[in-house]
Formats: sequence, C-alpha cells, structure tokens
Amino acid sequence: DAKTTQPPSMDCAEGRAANLPCNHSTISGNEYVYWYRQIHSQGPQYIIHGLKNNETNEMASLIITEDRKSSTLILPHATLRDTAVYYCIVSLLNAGNNRKLIWGLGTSLAVNP
Amino acid sequence: DAGVTQSPTHLIKTRGQQVTLRCSPKSGHDTVSWYQQALGQGPQFIFQYYEEEERQRGNFPDRFSGHQFPNYSSELNVNALLLGDSALYLCASSPRGGGRGQPQHFGDGTRLSIL
Repeated sequence: DAKTTQPPSMDCAEGRAANLPCNHSTISGNEYVYWYRQIHSQGPQYIIHGLKNNETNEMASLIITEDRKSSTLILPHATLRDTAVYYCIVSLLNAGNNRKLIWGLGTSLAVNP
Repeated sequence: DAGVTQSPTHLIKTRGQQVTLRCSPKSGHDTVSWYQQALGQGPQFIFQYYEEEERQRGNFPDRFSGHQFPNYSSELNVNALLLGDSALYLCASSPRGGGRGQPQHFGDGTRLSIL
C-alpha cells in the first residue's frame, strides 16, 4: 500500500480555512485517498474520500492533484471543535475486493480562538 | 441509525490473561476490520472479516484471533496478554462493495490496560 507523508502539526485561526496537505507520491491507479480525523479518546471519524476528482461534502473539500501524487483537505471555516489529529490514508483494493487502511502519524491541527 | 458499537469501553487485565472484545457493525455493513492503536500512534490493521471468515491479516501474532457471527457482529480475542498489548482497540465496519471505495466507519474503541 502507498505511504503518505503529512506535516506533524499545524495551527489555524478560528473562522479561517484550514488547508492540510498530504503527499502520496507512490499511489497507484486504483488506490483511493481517504481522510479521517480523531479527537482525543474517540474513534476515527470519516471525513471524505476520492479517487481522481475533487470532492466536497458538508464537512470538507478534497483537492487531488492531476498526477494524484498529493492532496489537500480543506476545512472552509475552522472551529475549535475541529481541533484533532487528521489522517490521510491511501488503501488498495485487493483481489478479494477488500480494503485495509494503512495509517501514519497524521497531522495534529490546533484551531486557535 | 446506530453506528459501530464496541464493548466494553475500558478493560483492565493482567499479564497472561485472555480477553474478548466485541463489536456490532453499522446497520447495512457486513465487513468488520479490527485495529490496534498504541498511544501517540496511528491505528495498525489487525485483521478483517466478512462472510464469517478472516479475509486479510496484518502483522500480528496468532495470539490475536477473531470471529464473525451470522448477524455480522464480531469478536477480537487476545491470549497470553503482554504489557505491550495495552492499547485502544478499534473496530471498523464497511459495506461489501469495496470497489467503489466505500469508507470504513469506526467505533470509539475499547481501551485495554495490561498490568
């Protein structure tokens, strides 16, 4: 499975957009990019995922570069409740139609008042 | 619509003991994956079940075993507990159609402490 590289920590002012980068330069054609976040003592929360095209939902936007080697998660108006560890993951669909998620250390995002 | 539920939320065991953790998947999901998350680390994949069989396994010893029941719920069993098994154990469920990248949804985990 492809590995991802994320900055260990970032800061963002409340109300501003938070842009979290992720490098996945060894991604292959059928690997999806997933973003999760984890607030202390809770399970990971799914945010968004994509394959080639940019995606948007009620939580965030995902921008994937044309060569698919990197992506950016955008939280358009960060709030204090967005303070969490954000994980960027790529996963491979195997022959049995199963996926497993390979996690790194993520980015610890601090949203400041 | 209930999400993924795990029990118990916390557990304390001593070295050498055995433990069973339980997971009920999100409604409509038939695939269950288990992860171990040590403090300060990302989750590590243990194994995945669907159709009551283990389909994929991560780099974990045979002391870690599992089961899936006909109602899709699952158990994780760990034998001969070691201090290093202290961690947050996470269960994730997903629908079978992995080809469209359906995401896994996680429970809040079981915090296992080994004394």
